[in-house]
Amino acid sequence: EAGVAQSPRYKIIEKRQSVAFWCNPISGHATLYWYQQILGQGPKLLIQFQNNGVVDDSQLPKDRFSAERLKGVDSTLKIQPAKLEDSAVYLCASSLIVGANVLTFGAGSRLTVL
Amino acid sequence: QKEVEQDPGPLSVPEGAIVSLNCTYSNSAFQYFMWYRQYSRKGPELLMYTYSSGNKEDGRFTAQVDKSSKYISLFIRDSQPSDSATYLCAMSASGANSKLTFGKGITLSVRP
Repeated sequence: EAGVAQSPRYKIIEKRQSVAFWCNPISGHATLYWYQQILGQGPKLLIQFQNNGVVDDSQLPKDRFSAERLKGVDSTLKIQPAKLEDSAVYLCASSLIVGANVLTFGAGSRLTVL
Repeated sequence: QKEVEQDPGPLSVPEGAIVSLNCTYSNSAFQYFMWYRQYSRKGPELLMYTYSSGNKEDGRFTAQVDKSSKYISLFIRDSQPSDSATYLCAMSASGANSKLTFGKGITLSVRP
């Protein structure tokens, strides 16, 4: 079974620039999550999709972050404009059903904002 | 007070040692308790999963949950250098809208 794919693995940008991250979940997994993991901290949920609908985006900074999951498969997370404090690893995860606690994570996309 | 508090690290032990990792929590609605392991430059992977109070053993790993004290632990017996990683506790309430709340993680290094 292929895992959760993410790209790019690393990205360095200047503040106020924009960046986009892509995620392809495990085939058949209806629920997709984007987490932000700042160095030295645990992952924080940004947004959760069930198929192509949003279940929870309460912690997504909507003035600069956006995410979509067209056709209920791949997802893109965008940051525009980026701030220094956005430097983090952005983890995508998927699970078979909503409310599941067993998540399969991708390797993450490491963002550095200068 | 944070919902989930995890013992600060890092932790360094010699190979073969018994390791105890701990988390406390404040939300009495939490019913599901997990330990995820995260190797450097990788995503977290599920290590142990426990529902409600009690113990669960899987090889060298034992997870304990004490809901009365709002305290969970992960024990690693006969620790190996391959156990060197960051360990994250995570927990959630029941229900379709529940979400995982993670601890900060503790980095363990097992010295050969």
